[in-house]
Amino acid sequence: KQEVTQIPAALSVPEGENLVLNCSFTDSAIYNLQWFRQDPGKGLTSLLLIQSSQREQTSGRLNASLDKSSGRSTLYIAASQPGDSATYLCAVVYGQNFVFGPGTRLSVLP
Amino acid sequence: GAVVSQHPSRVICKSGTSVKIECRSLDFQATTMFWYRQFPKQSLMLMATSNEGSKATYEQGVEKDKFLINHASLTLSTLTVTSAHPEDSSFYICSARDVGHTAYEQYFGPGTRLTVT
Repeated sequence: KQEVTQIPAALSVPEGENLVLNCSFTDSAIYNLQWFRQDPGKGLTSLLLIQSSQREQTSGRLNASLDKSSGRSTLYIAASQPGDSATYLCAVVYGQNFVFGPGTRLSVLP
Repeated sequence: GAVVSQHPSRVICKSGTSVKIECRSLDFQATTMFWYRQFPKQSLMLMATSNEGSKATYEQGVEKDKFLINHASLTLSTLTVTSAHPEDSSFYICSARDVGHTAYEQYFGPGTRLTVT
């Protein structure tokens, strides 16, 4: 059974800091890994998708890496802004389904 | 881009009543749709997989008689919470997979907040 964990559970940083969010999964037999953002009471916004054959993806200030063999992914956010405050979820595509981590709640203070 | 809508976005119902939530793919056809439940400060948990024209597949621990899923067309799946109780209060999110696309190309709806009083 696939299990996904995320560290830290919550993070509060001052504006402008670079930060790293961590995601771990127990079974490396994944198709892909995807990072999402979720604002309070809202649905999911896809940030980055890393296919199993890839090692990283970049979009603007976001960079996600994937190390399948060790079961880890990181999401790097550069020059954080208050608008980045949200919950960040990682999910692996395992079999036919998404398996989500519990999320990291990020607060960026002005 | 592919868009998935949900209706209603919020619903409040009384204990013992039933409530229906719709999930629509607006600009693509979805042979498979997924229903997730999210409790406060917790992650999304897959409830069931809905395939067009066939019975839904429920995850372990999800009562199929309580959470009725119908996927009658390639653009619409519905989740009906029957005889709702306060413990069913949650955020329900659907996702849809485009016909012919692989498992990872799922598009998520905005969610429905259900409150049972």
